[in-house]
Amino acid sequence: DQQVKQNSPSLSVQEGRISILNCDYTNSMFDYFLWYKKYPAEGPTFLISISSIKDKNEDGRFTVFLNKSAKHLSLHIVPSQPGDSAVYFCAASARGGGADGLTFGKGTHLIIQP
Amino acid sequence: SQTIHQWPATLVQPVGSPLSLECTVEGTSNPNLYWYRQAAGRGLQLLFYSVGIGQISSEVPQNLSASRPQDRQFILSSKKLLLSDSGFYLCAWSVLQGQTQYFGPGTRLLVL
Repeated sequence: DQQVKQNSPSLSVQEGRISILNCDYTNSMFDYFLWYKKYPAEGPTFLISISSIKDKNEDGRFTVFLNKSAKHLSLHIVPSQPGDSAVYFCAASARGGGADGLTFGKGTHLIIQP
Repeated sequence: SQTIHQWPATLVQPVGSPLSLECTVEGTSNPNLYWYRQAAGRGLQLLFYSVGIGQISSEVPQNLSASRPQDRQFILSSKKLLLSDSGFYLCAWSVLQGQTQYFGPGTRLLVL
């Protein structure tokens, strides 16, 4: 049973436009959500996170939105740059209990077209 | 600043051979440590985590084991590798449980 879902395996966006990556979760115990960026043959790099007490968190070009009622979060990248081409993983944790690790989605491959 | 190291970067091993992957963290004390595996075309699966020396929790039954002989050292082992053990192995650390985890560069394991 996949608790964190990224339903788009890939996404192609033109340079300078907005990239929107989506993530859905099923476990209502999740209260902390993260986005990671991963290049091939490298470890994931932490991008941005959001606690369930917030609905938005912004850091430079990256903004994460959380809709708890819909169990949905999204990552917005504005403007998209060629270096943003990578696989993006959504992750979640239940800090109040359960496994200590993060539960990851399968990732979305973002391709920024020049 | 904190850094996390993994070695080797790449490993090719025959089926039935033993395995030992090492992970060390610098610049922090008493970190939570994690081992993940990313199989081809899939997400990251948590294998083991440790909240202290000698304390190991396993998330999935498998052919692998983990040990934490020192505060900032985490080792992933197997006595006999299977073809299905091939994948990209990632070590990570965090300050607190359930908080942001920071990943090492990974080890690519190919079992033939």
